[in-house]
Amino acid sequence: KQEVTQIPAALSVPEGENLVLNCSFTDSAIYNLQWFRQDPGKGLTSLLLIQSSQREQTSGRLNASLDKSSGRSTLYIAASQPGDSATYLCAVCSNDYKLSFGAGTTVTVRA
Amino acid sequence: ETGVTQSPTHLIKTRGQQVTLRCSSQSGHNTVSWYQQALGQGPQFIFQYYREEENGRGNFPPRFSGLQFPNYSSELNVNALELDDSALYLCASSWRTDTQYFGPGTRLTVL
Repeated sequence: KQEVTQIPAALSVPEGENLVLNCSFTDSAIYNLQWFRQDPGKGLTSLLLIQSSQREQTSGRLNASLDKSSGRSTLYIAASQPGDSATYLCAVCSNDYKLSFGAGTTVTVRA
Repeated sequence: ETGVTQSPTHLIKTRGQQVTLRCSSQSGHNTVSWYQQALGQGPQFIFQYYREEENGRGNFPPRFSGLQFPNYSSELNVNALELDDSALYLCASSWRTDTQYFGPGTRLTVL
């Protein structure tokens, strides 16, 4: 059974600082890995998807890396803004195409 | 192109009652997945439907059941509601194994 862990559970940084969010998973036989953003009480917005054959994916200020052999992914957010405040969820897609989520990292960016 | 929609937005039920939640897939998508997200936790996979057939199920009891219709919209039914069923229920649609796009969720409260 795939277990996904996200560290830290919460993070508070001043505006402009870079964010580093960590995700680890127990089974390296994955199809892909996704990072999502969730605002309070809302649904999930997909940020980045990394296929199992890829090492990283970039979109604007966001960069996600994947090290499948060690079961780790990192999401970097450059030059954080107050609008980046949200919960960030890591989800691992297994080879049966089902998503296993971590509990999330709640980010607060202080103006 | 319309996104994934869910209805109702909020719902309050009492223990023992039954509930039906609805999801309309994004145009062109043939796969729907349902997730349960308890407060402060990551979403947990309930089941997935592909072309009207159940295509995998998470660790949920049989009182959680679903349907997918020919237009690829879907329903989640929960019988004999328990207090622990209180959660945000998320629906996601995709074209088979591609990126899953999530709806805004239905907030279910069981009293």
